[in-house]
Amino acid sequence: DAMVIQNPRYQVTQFGKPVTLSCSQTLNHNVMYWYQQKSSQAPKLLFHYYDKDFNNEADTPDNFQSRRPNTSFCFLDIRSPGLGDAAMYLCATSRGRHNQPQHFGDGTRLSIL
Amino acid sequence: AQSVTQPDIHITVSEGASLELRCNYSYGATPYLFWYVQSPGQGLQLLLKYFSGDTLVQGIKGFEAEFKRSQSSFNLRKPSVHWSDAAEYFCAVGLGGTSGTYKYIFGTGTRLKVLA
Repeated sequence: DAMVIQNPRYQVTQFGKPVTLSCSQTLNHNVMYWYQQKSSQAPKLLFHYYDKDFNNEADTPDNFQSRRPNTSFCFLDIRSPGLGDAAMYLCATSRGRHNQPQHFGDGTRLSIL
Repeated sequence: AQSVTQPDIHITVSEGASLELRCNYSYGATPYLFWYVQSPGQGLQLLLKYFSGDTLVQGIKGFEAEFKRSQSSFNLRKPSVHWSDAAEYFCAVGLGGTSGTYKYIFGTGTRLKVLA
């Protein structure tokens, strides 16, 4: 089945130590999104790529960066994680056209020691 | 301003009972509406979507939703709840960007508990 795959499912890092989360897709979708979701809250959009065009949300901290080397892969880099960055990180994809829904991966749960 | 409201943070129903989860939106144009379900520790799964046409839409797992423009609502319903339906449910409005890229506005979610 075509899908969105996030690795790893669980990631533990130390305070201030850079960490990278990975997302891959077999749907061949134009758009890839990264969300942050904290406990009992709705997902919060950090940024998205439309093809190679990067779109940052105005309130996304500079600590969060992203790379999309090709259509299939997208990475979330957290340069210096703080305790407040502990959360579930969700990747999603869509065709980037009107009436096309987003398809989500199972997420990566990030813990900060 | 665009917004999505899910008035009920928590709902508890007995297994076999009917369910209705409320969603109200504020959006200037014709909305693109979605319901997602999230089980603990998992991603979001699309239950159903509304773009146009028939205002009663059918989804997966026996769910349906009705779009009511006059009430700015898109409530999710299920006639008989199963214990496996216990999860968090999110309503979302899709926003069209200048490039055609869609972003969502999510509601705050409704956590469903099912009693045996």
